[in-house]
Amino acid sequence: ETGVTQTPRHLVMGMTNKKSLKCEQHLGHNAMYWYKQSAKKPLELMFVYNFKEQTENNSVPSRFSPECPNSSHLFLHLHTLQPEDSALYLCASSQDYPTGRNTDTQYFGPGTRLTVL
Amino acid sequence: RKEVEQDPGPFNVPEGATVAFNCTYSNSASQSFFWYRQDCRKEPKLLMSVYSSGNEDGRFTAQLNRASQYISLLIRDSKLSDSATYLCVVNMRSGGYNKLIFGAGTRLAVHP
Repeated sequence: ETGVTQTPRHLVMGMTNKKSLKCEQHLGHNAMYWYKQSAKKPLELMFVYNFKEQTENNSVPSRFSPECPNSSHLFLHLHTLQPEDSALYLCASSQDYPTGRNTDTQYFGPGTRLTVL
Repeated sequence: RKEVEQDPGPFNVPEGATVAFNCTYSNSASQSFFWYRQDCRKEPKLLMSVYSSGNEDGRFTAQLNRASQYISLLIRDSKLSDSATYLCVVNMRSGGYNKLIFGAGTRLAVHP
């Protein structure tokens, strides 16, 4: 099942590196999300893009910079990360209706496992 | 108080057993509810949505009690393949978009 794809699947980077995570959804959805999952912690919502507009920035440090060029693609640009940023980064998408109709199932990509040295 | 609370487990049960997970949520304005399943080192996948009247899908039954802000998942006739972490998820629609709040998950281990 390849509704939501993420690359790379694994990434090791130093604290001074700059890298980007990529997410692509093939489901025709209009909302995309970045989540962080650290060991033994719940998924934490980082960013939400709704109709390509960023609608949520959940107090995420500026060393994480999202980009959503269109409704199918989402990037997370990383720079000067810290070792505590090592985690699984998950992208998700959903079809969201402005009227609030209850079609809010989110579909997740496989994630990028990030290690910061 | 955490927004979504679950017993982390692990629940160790034999094949064929019935097991129940509970979840409580703090915000009474929560609008929709889900159970997701997450296998080790994999992404979460939707198991089932939870409706007010309760709903059943094969061996799985979900219940919602809005008055007590409580959600449950019952698994009957457990299989080895049910071993996973079960995530309780609450949707807080906010500012015109959906915001899912995840519990930390309950681990289930089914043994022969």
